[in-house]
Amino acid sequence: SQQGEEDPQALSIQEGENATMNCSYKTSINNLQWYRQNSGRGLVHLILIRSNEREKHSGRLRVTLDTSKKSSSLLITASRAADTASYFCATPEGTGGFKTIFGAGTRLFVKA
Amino acid sequence: EAQVTQNPRYLITVTGKKLTVTCSQNMNHEYMSWYRQDPGLGLRQIYYSMNVEVTDKGDVPEGYKVSRKEKRNFPLILESPSPNQTSLYFCASSRQGPDEQFFGPGTRLTVL
Repeated sequence: SQQGEEDPQALSIQEGENATMNCSYKTSINNLQWYRQNSGRGLVHLILIRSNEREKHSGRLRVTLDTSKKSSSLLITASRAADTASYFCATPEGTGGFKTIFGAGTRLFVKA
Repeated sequence: EAQVTQNPRYLITVTGKKLTVTCSQNMNHEYMSWYRQDPGLGLRQIYYSMNVEVTDKGDVPEGYKVSRKEKRNFPLILESPSPNQTSLYFCASSRQGPDEQFFGPGTRLTVL
């Protein structure tokens, strides 16, 4: 089942611009996570936001969570060519579940 | 260095020939998991393990087996591979539960 669905599927921006990716999910969750994947490589965990948090920052990353709308957004500010990657949201299934559900991802291309 | 290792990294095999993909982590993590990644489908969880001798099915377990006899190892077994199991496979681990997972480099499997 696809719990998290990202939008847009692909995004192309200029270096220095901000990139925003969105994720929607279907069931109640304890937390939501964002991962990055450089072409064909293993995913790297970026940030985790808990269900009782509305916003979280980590360096140039800003994540928001709206549990009433079952959605999250990832903002990358002042993007760099090195940010070119695919970004995935992931949630544990339900609250307290051990299964992980990933969305299909957003492919970000940052032009130098 | 903290890491998740997978072997082999690349494998081409034929239908029906049993194979095992190994996964090992050196972080004393309790949670380990296997995913497959196919174009346009994101990552789908095959099996996960909450601790030694405790495993459970993910979203796409058919055609796969796993075992968790030791904390550090979580092999993925394909008893009779078929072409629809051609995919990119990732092993991941985390300290406890499905949060903040560390991913291996991936195994690209082709079944002819």
